[in-house]
Amino acid sequence: EPEVTQTPSHQVTQMGQEVILHCVPISNHLYFYWYRQILGQKVEFLVSFYNNEISEKSEIFDDQFSVERPDGSNFTLKIRSTKLEDSAMYFCASRGEVNTEAFFGQGTRLTVV
Amino acid sequence: AQKVTQAQTEISVVEKEDVTLDCVYETRDTTYYLFWYKQPPSGELVFLIRRNSFDEQNEISGRYSWNFQKSTSSFNFTITASQVVDSAVYFCALSEPSGSARQLTFGSGTQLTVLP
Repeated sequence: EPEVTQTPSHQVTQMGQEVILHCVPISNHLYFYWYRQILGQKVEFLVSFYNNEISEKSEIFDDQFSVERPDGSNFTLKIRSTKLEDSAMYFCASRGEVNTEAFFGQGTRLTVV
Repeated sequence: AQKVTQAQTEISVVEKEDVTLDCVYETRDTTYYLFWYKQPPSGELVFLIRRNSFDEQNEISGRYSWNFQKSTSSFNFTITASQVVDSAVYFCALSEPSGSARQLTFGSGTQLTVLP
């Protein structure tokens, strides 16, 4: 069964460092998303990406965040200068069509120290 | 703005008991989609069900059933004869057309613990 793949599963980084989280969505999907979940809290929407551009973003997704789909298969989330409060589980998701269910990757746990 | 409320933060039951997880949502749209996801201790989000706003039929899948009531804006999830493997956090989520990519708005989740 096709699945969304995220790497790494766990990333530890020092405050102020740049970090890139990687995702390979399901191959024929068109809509891509990043969500985050601070430990013990709800899952929050960060950004959606469609047709090679950002379609929606939340207030959390400020200038420190960016997304790219560099080669037609990978979908990356970059945090330019990490802060302690960026520590969270980051989930990538993809959808084939806009009204179908989103399939989530297993998440990347980001720890900023 | 859309909102999903899961008032039950934690529920604990003994194996084989039935348990219902509540979900109440708010939306201004007449067309929307509701979802349930399961997050086991390993952390991934597992899709369970999708329901559109025009389909109020209840659904049963094995030990799982869902009760969608548009009149009360609720989409409750019942597990019959619970098992230890059902222990997880369960999230209800809403997707609306007002978001062009129809991102999900999640509730805060209900931690279900099934004791042997």
